[in-house]
Amino acid sequence: AQRVTQPEKLLSVFKGAPVELKCNYSYSGSPELFWYVQYSRQRLQLLLRHISRESIKGFTADLNKGETSFHLKKPFAQEEDSAMYYCALSNTGFQKLVFGTGTRLLVSP
Amino acid sequence: DTGVSQDPRHKITKRGQNVTFRCDPISEHNRLYWYRQTLGQGPEFLTYFQNEAQLEKSRLLSDRFSAERPKGSFSTLEIQRTEQGDSAMYLCASSPTAGGLLGQGFYEQYFGPGTRLTVT
Repeated sequence: AQRVTQPEKLLSVFKGAPVELKCNYSYSGSPELFWYVQYSRQRLQLLLRHISRESIKGFTADLNKGETSFHLKKPFAQEEDSAMYYCALSNTGFQKLVFGTGTRLLVSP
Repeated sequence: DTGVSQDPRHKITKRGQNVTFRCDPISEHNRLYWYRQTLGQGPEFLTYFQNEAQLEKSRLLSDRFSAERPKGSFSTLEIQRTEQGDSAMYLCASSPTAGGLLGQGFYEQYFGPGTRLTVT
C-alpha cells in the first residue's frame, strides 16, 4: 500500500531558526517524492521533487530509502515560509499523487 | 491563460440534491485529475483523464460520483444524492505529457483553487 505520513500537524519556530518537516512513506517500488506548499489563500503548488535535487527558496529534501523518509529542511526560516506543507508520493506510472496529511509551518518574528 | 480554473468556488446544497462542478485545465494539458480534500487531511485522488479517456478511478468514487471530459478539454464532476460526508474541497489539477518533463516521466500537476462543497 502507498502511504505518506507527516507526524506533525503544526511546527512553530522563530525567524532564523532551522526547520525540519518530517515525511515518511511506504511504497513497494521506486518512489517519486515531492513537497507541495499552500500559502494562505493560494492554490497548492509544487515546491520541490527529490529527483531534481534542487534547493527551492532555501529548502532541500533528501530521499533516504533506508529510513523511507523525505524530510524537508531549511537552515534559517523566514516569516514568508509560513504555509501548509504536504509531502506526496507518485506511483510508478505517475498517474496520481498520494499526499500526507500536511504540516502547518508557522514562523514567528 | 491564468492556470487551472474551477467553478463554482463554493457550493452549499441540501442532502439528497445533485451537484456538478466544472474544471478548466491549462490549455493543451492533456491530463486532468480530480482530488478531494476533507478537513485536516491531504488531497485524496479520485480519478484522472488522459484526453477524454478516464483511465483510473479511486474506490473513493462511489456510484454516486461520475466524472466526464467529453472533448478532452474541460471536465465535470457530478455527485448525485449528496450526503453530509461529501462535504469537502474538490480539487482539479492538470498536467502535460510532453514538454513538461521533470524527470523520468513525471509531469508537474498544476492545481486549481478548488470547489468547496457543503452539504447541509
